Amino acid sequence: NAGVTQTPKFQVLKTGQSMTLQCAQDMNHNSMYWYRQDPGMGLRLIYYSASEGTTDKGEVPNGYNVSRLNKREFSLRLESAAPSQTSVYFCASSEARDRGHQPQHFGDGTRLSIL
Amino acid sequence: GQQLNQSPQSMFIQEGEDVSMNCTSSSIFNTWLWYKQDPGEGPVLLIALYKAGELTSNGRLTAQFGITRKDSFLNISASIPSDVGIYFCAGLSGGSNYKLTFGKGTLLTVNP
Repeated sequence: NAGVTQTPKFQVLKTGQSMTLQCAQDMNHNSMYWYRQDPGMGLRLIYYSASEGTTDKGEVPNGYNVSRLNKREFSLRLESAAPSQTSVYFCASSEARDRGHQPQHFGDGTRLSIL
Repeated sequence: GQQLNQSPQSMFIQEGEDVSMNCTSSSIFNTWLWYKQDPGEGPVLLIALYKAGELTSNGRLTAQFGITRKDSFLNISASIPSDVGIYFCAGLSGGSNYKLTFGKGTLLTVNP
């Protein structure tokens, strides 16, 4: 049971470089999410995809783009990396329940450093 | 935006002690979730609460959805060393079925 798989696990970039973080889930969930986690800040939502073919901004979307490639895969792209984007990035997925309540299941994260 | 105030920020306890942590908000939430995060890993769901007043257990863990829908607590009984980690509360409000609001976490250290 892989659950939510993120690649790569670690990455170092130079300022201005671009990169795509990959996420895939094998639980047949409709909804997928990208978060960033910074020390003392908890998790903050960057973008989410309620269902295949839709994406919406979260709390901190600036500097990022996303693509919901299919039901399984949701990628996060940094077009021009900045040091402020140094963080741990988590992908999550969930399935709708009665009245929309839905626990989210997380991957193990991508640790990204931008120099 | 909505905020969750999670306390305490950190706890250092002896093995065998009970632990209590809570989250409060000025906003109403329809769902409360409690996650645990181990170093180098993603958050793992511990308990989900869907109704005001609901009390749910998962082994030595017990969580409650506050009657006012603005708070939740998590208790851990008879702590063991593997309970070490960061515990997060998270809430879903009626305004969105998708946007979880997270607390900033409680770092738990258990001394054997």
